Amino acid sequence: DIQMTQSPSTLSASVGDRVTITCRASQSISSWLAWYQQKPGKAPKLLIYKASSLESGVPPRFSGSGSGTEFTLTISNLQPDDFATYYCQQYNSYSTFGQGTKVEIK
Amino acid sequence: QITLKESGPTLVKPTQTLTLTCTFSGFSLSSSGVGVGWIRQPPGKALEWLALMYWNDDKRYSPSLKSRLTITKDTSKNQVVLTMTNMDPVDTATYYCAQTPYGSGSYSYWGQGTLVTVSS
Repeated sequence: DIQMTQSPSTLSASVGDRVTITCRASQSISSWLAWYQQKPGKAPKLLIYKASSLESGVPPRFSGSGSGTEFTLTISNLQPDDFATYYCQQYNSYSTFGQGTKVEIK
Repeated sequence: QITLKESGPTLVKPTQTLTLTCTFSGFSLSSSGVGVGWIRQPPGKALEWLALMYWNDDKRYSPSLKSRLTITKDTSKNQVVLTMTNMDPVDTATYYCAQTPYGSGSYSYWGQGTLVTVSS
């Protein structure tokens, strides 16, 4: 099984900050990685697919990069609506989610 | 407009079999590349991928749960059904179904989720 490790687990930030979340795969997954945002009591929302492609309707302050085993999600100019938990997902071999990163208000 | 909705029991007893139905609209599971998957999330924990049904009847299962899972589709009813055998309290979770377009494996559309509690 491919394991996905996100860091940090929790991130404290302020509105306007630039934040970066990292996701590492236990083996190469090429660019088969997605990022999701989840708010309490809600289903996840797709933000980024194929490592760096922005899902339709998602603000451009969200961006993704990486390939192989290391990936990042960057949120520039953090907005109040962005405080949530973020998950990475690999879909190169079956599928696996990371353990999540909670972005909280500093 | 694409929508998905999960339905099934909210409470099951240990050792019982869980059957969940995902009823969707706005797309066809006979369209090339389309898939419907199941993902669960125990309370306060991370997402866990379970299974995926493709338009061509190809199926994928989580290796760790494969022996307990079966996924089927009824294209005429726009439904995908997941069964999980030998339920245990650790299987208590919100179960989501979601659509992946173009065979990609990333999920663009999600149902609202249904909480299933396993308890005697």
